Amino acid sequence: AAGVIQSPRHLIKEKRETATLKCYPIPRHDTVYWYQQGPGQDPQFLISFYEKMQSDKGSIPDRFSAQQFSDYHSELNMSSLELGDSALYFCASSRAETTDTQYFGPGTRLTVL
Amino acid sequence: DQQVKQNSPSLSVQEGRISILNCDYTNSMFDYFLWYKKYPAEGPTFLISISSIKDKNEDGRFTVFLNKSAKHLSLHIVPSQPGDSAVYFCAAKGGGADGLTFGKGTHLIIQP
Repeated sequence: AAGVIQSPRHLIKEKRETATLKCYPIPRHDTVYWYQQGPGQDPQFLISFYEKMQSDKGSIPDRFSAQQFSDYHSELNMSSLELGDSALYFCASSRAETTDTQYFGPGTRLTVL
Repeated sequence: DQQVKQNSPSLSVQEGRISILNCDYTNSMFDYFLWYKKYPAEGPTFLISISSIKDKNEDGRFTVFLNKSAKHLSLHIVPSQPGDSAVYFCAAKGGGADGLTFGKGTHLIIQP
């Protein structure tokens, strides 16, 4: 079965640079979620979108923004990167009818040097 | 303040026996509770969920029990298999497209 696709899988950036992470949800899923997992931490919810509209907002820094496009894929844009932004970034998707279940992608490992 | 708590960082169980992973929560507004299995550097894998209006949900070897009055849920794995060794996260959410609130995870080790 098709799963959530994230790209790139690994990304290395310098401090103060920008990064863009992409997420392609499971086909027919209309809701996407972004999470950040630091080393040894549990995943922290950042933001979610349903039908291209922001739905819920968690602990997303002001330096980060995200959007969902007409084909339901989503992009997380990160600017003025800091060392503390180094983490695994997960995208998850769900269908509006079954929002009790979120399916996660493999993650993007971002390293900020 | 940790709204979802998994107080056991690790649990060791013999192969073939029952594994019981526990989770407590403080927010009575949560509508759904989910369990995920996770390997290092991989995305969480969904296992099973339960609505706040139910007290039990079963799927194969996995059963989740919810005690709303105690704000406690547990995941039972029977029988435990070597491939079950992983970190298990308890998570909770409200309705709609709300994000998940995760516990800190429990590292389950299945011993042969």
